[in-house]
Amino acid sequence: QVQLQESGPGLVKPSETLSLTCTVSGGSISPYYWTWIRQPPGEGLQYIGDIYYTGNTNYHPSLKSRVSMSVDTSKNQFSLKLNSVTAADTAIYYCVRVESGGLLDSWGQGTLVTVSS
Amino acid sequence: QPVLTQPPSVSGAPGRRVTISCTGRSSNIGAGYDVNWYRQLPGAAPKVIIYGNTNRPSGVPDRFSGSKSGTSASLAITGLQAEDEADYYCQSYDSSLSGYVFGTGTKVTVL
Repeated sequence: QVQLQESGPGLVKPSETLSLTCTVSGGSISPYYWTWIRQPPGEGLQYIGDIYYTGNTNYHPSLKSRVSMSVDTSKNQFSLKLNSVTAADTAIYYCVRVESGGLLDSWGQGTLVTVSS
Repeated sequence: QPVLTQPPSVSGAPGRRVTISCTGRSSNIGAGYDVNWYRQLPGAAPKVIIYGNTNRPSGVPDRFSGSKSGTSASLAITGLQAEDEADYYCQSYDSSLSGYVFGTGTKVTVL
């Protein structure tokens, strides 16, 4: 059973860069798509973007100018960077595996990132 | 950001049946992309309860069923139980976004 674990700072200052890494265990990064989903406190789920194990990416248009994702197959990890953060980026961030048909079948436990000075 | 519309809340007495609608558009559900449903308990990550419009993962009771027609999908819960209280989200793919879209979320309350 594949497991995903997010890691990174839980507190980021406004205008700085949010950086998270997702470590995949119990399975391989390839040949899957991987995605980042976030959930602001008390709100619904938001798609940030996704990355293929080859490194091809797709980002939500509203975040495209601020987001980048990368993958390290040797470490079985993929990462998220979101720059110029504001309080509106405060959320629980989940890393998720994408199965065929767009099914988000395996989720990390999520990590709360707070943007505050 | 949500592109799929769900009712904010539904409720029912134990043992009753409730349904949750998920309304999309021609670029997502209406384009033929699969709809998946997730249940989220407080403080936990979402877990899939229906995939590929109508399929249940192993371990999900057959009280849960999914359907899809046109630009909409539905989740039905029969024989409602206290443990079904949770937030439920539909999800699909959107070709205009080239990414995944979620429903607005529905809170199920067992009276």
